[in-house]
Formats: sequence, C-alpha cells, structure tokens
Amino acid sequence: AQSVTQLGSHVSVSEGALVLLRCNYSSSVPPYLFWYVQYPNQGLQLLLKYTTGATLVKGINGFEAEFKKSETSFHLTKPSAHMSDAAEYFCAVSPRRGTYKYIFGTGTRLKVLA
Amino acid sequence: SAVISQKPSRDICQRGTSLTIQCQVDSQVTMMFWYRQQPGQSLTLIATANQGSEATYESGFVIDKFPISRPNLTFSTLTVSNLSPEDSSIYLCSVTPGQSSYNEQFFGPGTRLTVL
Repeated sequence: AQSVTQLGSHVSVSEGALVLLRCNYSSSVPPYLFWYVQYPNQGLQLLLKYTTGATLVKGINGFEAEFKKSETSFHLTKPSAHMSDAAEYFCAVSPRRGTYKYIFGTGTRLKVLA
Repeated sequence: SAVISQKPSRDICQRGTSLTIQCQVDSQVTMMFWYRQQPGQSLTLIATANQGSEATYESGFVIDKFPISRPNLTFSTLTVSNLSPEDSSIYLCSVTPGQSSYNEQFFGPGTRLTVL
C-alpha cells in the first residue's frame, strides 16, 4: 500500500532563508506526486506536481521540487522565504493507474520569522 | 482548472442535528471527492462521488452518517448526520476533471463545522 511521510510537522525559517520541506513516499511504482499549500481558513491550492519527464518541477510562488526515484523523495524547496509563505504544506501521491484517490501526508506547518 | 464553491463556509450546529454541505463546480467534472480535516490534522478521504451511481465510501465512513448526492456533473452534497462534537472539522470537496489531467485535484474552500 502507498504511504506518504512528511518529516517535521513544524518548520521555522528566517525570512530570506532557504525553505526545505521533506516528503518521502512508499510505492512499488512511482506515483504522481503533488504539493499543496493551505493558508489559514482556506482550501488547498496546488503548488506543483510531478507526473512524467523532467524531475525538477517548478511551481507557483517560487517553489520547486525534485523527484528522486532512488530516494523515493519529492522534497519542496524555495531559495528565499517570504513572510507570505507561512502556511500548511501537504504532500500527496496518487497512483498512476486505476483509482484517482490521493494519499496525503500529515502536513508541515511553515513559520517564517522576521 | 476548475473553480469550486462550497456552502456554507462555516456553521455551528447542535448535537444530534444534521448539516448538508453543497459543492458547486463551474464546469462538468468526472469525479468529486469529499474530505474531512480534523483540527490540526491532514485530510482524510470520506468518499468518492460519481454521477449516476452511489458514492464509494472509505473505511471508517458509512452512508448512514455521511449520505452523499451527486445529481449531475457540476454539483454534489454531503450531509453529516446525527452530529456530535467529534464531527467538528473542516469538510472539503475536490474534483478531478479526469481524462488526461494526471489525477490532479482542485479543492473547494472548505466548510468549517463546529458542533456544540
């Protein structure tokens, strides 16, 4: 069965510092991979996704993520944190065949310090 | 992409009552999903709602407690029945246009339910 692990339920970074949010998946076949952001009192917004092709994917708001098959990872990064990046971030996977269902990680709350 | 609205955005309900949440999409979509997000936690899939057939429920969720309707390709409702304080959560609907969208899901803004 597939699973998703997000290391660190809370991450704090200084404004301008590198943001690194970790996501590892467990699956015999690489799934589709997604990162979503949830701002307070809002729904989820897609940041980026990996489906096929280039393993480094760029998303909105300056975020990017790299799919590493050998490490079964899809970590989210941003070179320079902004105060507006403070939010909850969810990694999700979906199998490539069959069901469209997502499996979500437990989420990482990002705090940006002035 | 798809634009999704939910009604109500929030509600406070008494124990034992029911709340029906509406999800409206601005385009026809193949699949709709309902999730629960308990306070401080991740999203848990309640059920998948397909037009013209009964919803498919995940383990731990039953139709009597969470009846779902999907009358057409742009609309669905989720009812949370016989409310208890443990049902206090955010309920989100999501859609996937299907076809070649790589399973991408678009989420509504959520309905925040508080049960007293």
